[in-house]
Amino acid sequence: SQQGEEDPQALSIQEGENATMNCSYKTSINNLQWYRQNSGRGLVHLILIRSNEREKHSGRLRVTLDTSKKSSSLLITASRAADTASYFCATDAGNRDDKIIFGKGTRLHILP
Amino acid sequence: EPEVTQTPSHQVTQMGQEVILRCVPISNHLYFYWYRQILGQKVEFLVSFYNNEISEKSEIFDDQFSVERPDGSNFTLKIRSTKLEDSAMYFCASSTTGGEQFFGPGTRLTVL
Repeated sequence: SQQGEEDPQALSIQEGENATMNCSYKTSINNLQWYRQNSGRGLVHLILIRSNEREKHSGRLRVTLDTSKKSSSLLITASRAADTASYFCATDAGNRDDKIIFGKGTRLHILP
Repeated sequence: EPEVTQTPSHQVTQMGQEVILRCVPISNHLYFYWYRQILGQKVEFLVSFYNNEISEKSEIFDDQFSVERPDGSNFTLKIRSTKLEDSAMYFCASSTTGGEQFFGPGTRLTVL
């Protein structure tokens, strides 16, 4: 089944540094999305990248997608304390009503 | 900015009781979803709903679960006889044509 698996499982970096999280999945996709979740809170959609796209930017976020390797990366530049959260990749097959499959997430901790 | 809302934010119930979790999707969205997240685990798909019927359901979504869109705005998840293992965060999501799904803040269900 489609499944995003993030790596690393946990990441601690100093404020101001860049954070890179990776995601791998198993089957063909149409879209890959990244979500953020603060502890015990809801899911915030960050960015969607389509299978025919290779890179996408949104503010301090940069997402890449390599469909040949079935992998994606999320880069957060100039990290801030408020970026501390869990980050999930989620994949779907792109059918109109298709479910999305979440990975286990990367817990990012920004150190002051 | 329109958003998905969910009520209640926290529901505590006794094992064996029925619970109804409520969601108001974004008004022009046509596809609706329920997901759950057991504490410390990944977000899991439960069910998708389109055109007043279930499009897809996971194996988690057994006979104890049902969904309904009773009017033009609400989307509900009913658990007929709750079990301890139903304790989780339940997220509602909606989308226009698939792809990006917008998530609500979640309902934390605690079964005692």
